[in-house]
Amino acid sequence: DTGVSQDPRHKITKRGQNVTFRCDPISEHNRLYWYRQTLGQGPEFLTYFQNEAQLEKSRLLSDRFSAERPKGSFSTLEIQRTEQGDSAMYLCASSLDRGRGTGELFFGEGSRLTVL
Amino acid sequence: RKEVEQDPGPFNVPEGATVAFNCTYSNSASQSFFWYRQDCRKEPKLLMSVYSSGNEDGRFTAQLNRASQYISLLIRDSKLSDSATYLCVVKDYGQNFVFGPGTRLSVLP
Repeated sequence: DTGVSQDPRHKITKRGQNVTFRCDPISEHNRLYWYRQTLGQGPEFLTYFQNEAQLEKSRLLSDRFSAERPKGSFSTLEIQRTEQGDSAMYLCASSLDRGRGTGELFFGEGSRLTVL
Repeated sequence: RKEVEQDPGPFNVPEGATVAFNCTYSNSASQSFFWYRQDCRKEPKLLMSVYSSGNEDGRFTAQLNRASQYISLLIRDSKLSDSATYLCVVKDYGQNFVFGPGTRLSVLP
């Protein structure tokens, strides 16, 4: 399978615990994005990487959230001290952008987080 | 004001109907425009890019009006399989893809 893969697909945790999600993008893609989606809403941008550099972070990304893409390949999104409001689907997407700004996003199936 | 706004929906239409979705965006510097489709509990997938001159892909027609900052999607001869949420997406030179809230479509037999 050469698509975007995310792990785990589902995570149930207790409030206050830390969770980490992993995303493996399409191999030749240079951009990687993280989004959060709640029921009935469109995906909300969290952050994106160009290769290993994190170029933009949303104001939604509080200090409890951190994302990395250490070698410009896979990425991790960590949420520390989870709160019930963090319950959502966390979507990863990748794109190949050659500088003309038209590369489309390819999404993974998402990691669903439930905080009890 | 949200960056990307869409018709609130849901739209419930009979098979064979023509349905149109509207989308407006606030950032006049936006450069690329897309419609994505999202099935229930699935990830969004690209339906079509939207070009300045308008473009058509089978039963789907997308149009862009930069002056009014408005994008539309027209679906002709709707099928049961068209039932999904349609997401309007706008991208600026900041390379951030901004999604609208989506409009849900149900095509009824």
